[in-house]
Amino acid sequence: QVQLVESGGGVVQPGRSLRLSCAASGFTFSSYGMHWVRQAPGKGLEWVAVIWYDGSNKYYADSVKGRFTISRDNSKNTLYLQMNSLRAEDTAVYYCARDALPKSDFENNWFDPWGQGTLVTVSS
Amino acid sequence: QSVLTQPPSVSGAPGQRVTISCTGSSSNIGAGYDVHWYQQLPGTAPKLLIYGNSNRPSGVPDRFSGSKSGTSASLAITGLQAEDEADYYCQSYDSSLTGGVFGGGTKLTVL
Repeated sequence: QVQLVESGGGVVQPGRSLRLSCAASGFTFSSYGMHWVRQAPGKGLEWVAVIWYDGSNKYYADSVKGRFTISRDNSKNTLYLQMNSLRAEDTAVYYCARDALPKSDFENNWFDPWGQGTLVTVSS
Repeated sequence: QSVLTQPPSVSGAPGQRVTISCTGSSSNIGAGYDVHWYQQLPGTAPKLLIYGNSNRPSGVPDRFSGSKSGTSASLAITGLQAEDEADYYCQSYDSSLTGGVFGGGTKLTVL
């Protein structure tokens, strides 16, 4: 079955870096765009970043632009999020989510399925 | 402040019907981009509920329905059940932000 499993979360000091991973299985990973979505404690969902199925395009939310980098390794069926210069307001559960439609525009797609999430806590 | 606006909470008795609104603007819903809805049960990851404004994935009961008009969309839930108690989020694409946007979420309480 289709499965997404995030890892790499933890407690990190402000200004430091962390890299999240999302291991995909049960589908042809290289055919789907992938996203990171986060949820601060007790708050709503916030879209963070997208990477095209072939890695050719990447887009970011303004709140993370210049600090976070999304990437993928299609040979390892794995999605990454490199987070630098972390701030307290980056504290959240980070979910990876797949485009529902393969090789389709982000604008006409939706998120399905989602991983279970990994918690990132930025605190001194 | 979320780009899409939802009521923070709605409630209804078992068996009743409730609706959740999602209001956007000319750069997202009003530009013709589809609206999708997700259900998040307590302590779990979000799950797709409605896609493409009004389509239900297999396995989602027909008690759930979606619609879109102009710069707004709505999720309707009929025959409320206790297990429907959850947070509901609308989502679309925004051409000005070049990214995905969510509503702030609506907490549904079944009385």
